[in-house]
Amino acid sequence: AQSVTQPDIHITVSEGASLELRCNYSYGATPYLFWYVQSPGQGLQLLLKYFSGDTLVQGIKGFEAEFKRSQSSFNLRKPSVHWSDAAEYFCAVGVGNDMRFGAGTRLTVKP
Amino acid sequence: GAVVSQHPSRVICKSGTSVKIECRSLDFQATTMFWYRQFPKKSLMLMATSNEGSKATYEQGVEKDKFLINHASLTLSTLTVTSAHPEDSSFYICSAREPSGRIYNEQFFGPGTRLTVL
Repeated sequence: AQSVTQPDIHITVSEGASLELRCNYSYGATPYLFWYVQSPGQGLQLLLKYFSGDTLVQGIKGFEAEFKRSQSSFNLRKPSVHWSDAAEYFCAVGVGNDMRFGAGTRLTVKP
Repeated sequence: GAVVSQHPSRVICKSGTSVKIECRSLDFQATTMFWYRQFPKKSLMLMATSNEGSKATYEQGVEKDKFLINHASLTLSTLTVTSAHPEDSSFYICSAREPSGRIYNEQFFGPGTRLTVL
């Protein structure tokens, strides 16, 4: 069955430091991959998506993600984190008519 | 483009009453809409998939008689929580999918509705 794993429940980084959030998926074919961000009490905002083509995807707010087929991963990165990036981040896999979400990673940004 | 709205954004109701949540696609026609539930500090769980003009498909474990879904038009789906109880309190998020043939499998999410049942 398709699954999405976000191994890190909570990550704390200092403002200005780099960030990498991990996402691994399990699916037989090339999936459609997404990263969303959710601020407390808010809905989901799409950061970026991968459908095909270049495996390094640029998103909004300075985020990027790299699809690595050999590792079944789609990790999210940002070179320099801002305090406003503190939020919950969800990786998701689109399969057919479905979308399955990882458990989420909560990002805390230290001053 | 591809904006999805939800109404209301927040609702408080008494136990035993019914609550209706609307999900609208504002600038596209959505043949398929999805309803998710999110518990505090948890991920989104798909509740059901609704297709315009037909019955919704519910995920295993979701009570179809409690969570009534209607997708009467290409821009509107409603979720009615019937005889709500405190355990139904949650954050409900809808999404809408553009017709296949355009952007494959992409869902556009509404801002969510916070339901509190007293």
